[in-house]
Amino acid sequence: DAGVIQSPRHEVTEMGQEVTLRCKPISGHNSLFWYRQTMMRGLELLIYFNNNVPIDDSGMPEDRFSAKMPNASFSTLKIQPSEPRDSAVYFCASSLGLRSGNTIYFGEGSWLTVV
Amino acid sequence: GIQVEQSPPDLILQEGANSTLRCNFSDSVNNLQWFHQNPWGQLINLFYIPSGTKQNGRLSATTVATERYSLLYISSSQTTDSGVYFCAVERSNYKLTFGKGTLLTVNP
Repeated sequence: DAGVIQSPRHEVTEMGQEVTLRCKPISGHNSLFWYRQTMMRGLELLIYFNNNVPIDDSGMPEDRFSAKMPNASFSTLKIQPSEPRDSAVYFCASSLGLRSGNTIYFGEGSWLTVV
Repeated sequence: GIQVEQSPPDLILQEGANSTLRCNFSDSVNNLQWFHQNPWGQLINLFYIPSGTKQNGRLSATTVATERYSLLYISSSQTTDSGVYFCAVERSNYKLTFGKGTLLTVNP
């Protein structure tokens, strides 16, 4: 299996620009997560999808952040407009379901720098 | 929300040494996982261990759910073991709450 695939791996953008991060979960996984990692706050859950439906987006920091999952094999996280404080590593992860004893698998992350 | 504390925050070892990393959590959990983040940032799942003991090669983990802690043992450490080790717990929903991690450096 190819694992969770994220793109881009690295992005540098100017403040105010729109950023779109993409994720392809592991085939057959019905749970998808977006996490953000920073030195100050560690790993934070931004949003969780189950069967393509957003279940909890309480971790999304502001209205500037939005996430979609149009089908079982693709999800996007969009930041518009971006700000320097959005600089972080954004991880996508997928799972068959946390409670059933299945582990969560992370992508390699998208390293975002907003200047 | 649930609190997850990991210790020590930093650990430096010589190659070949053994180590024990600890994770304390503030409430009962349904799910506990250990992860290794390598120096390139990749997060790798090591164990799913809400209770009991598991072993995988030089690594093993034990969770004592009734006492709300988990231990990760690394034996005969290698330089490739360097990185950050995270404990993450799920209490009553899908949200994994991560500890701040233990930064392990294994010197040759």
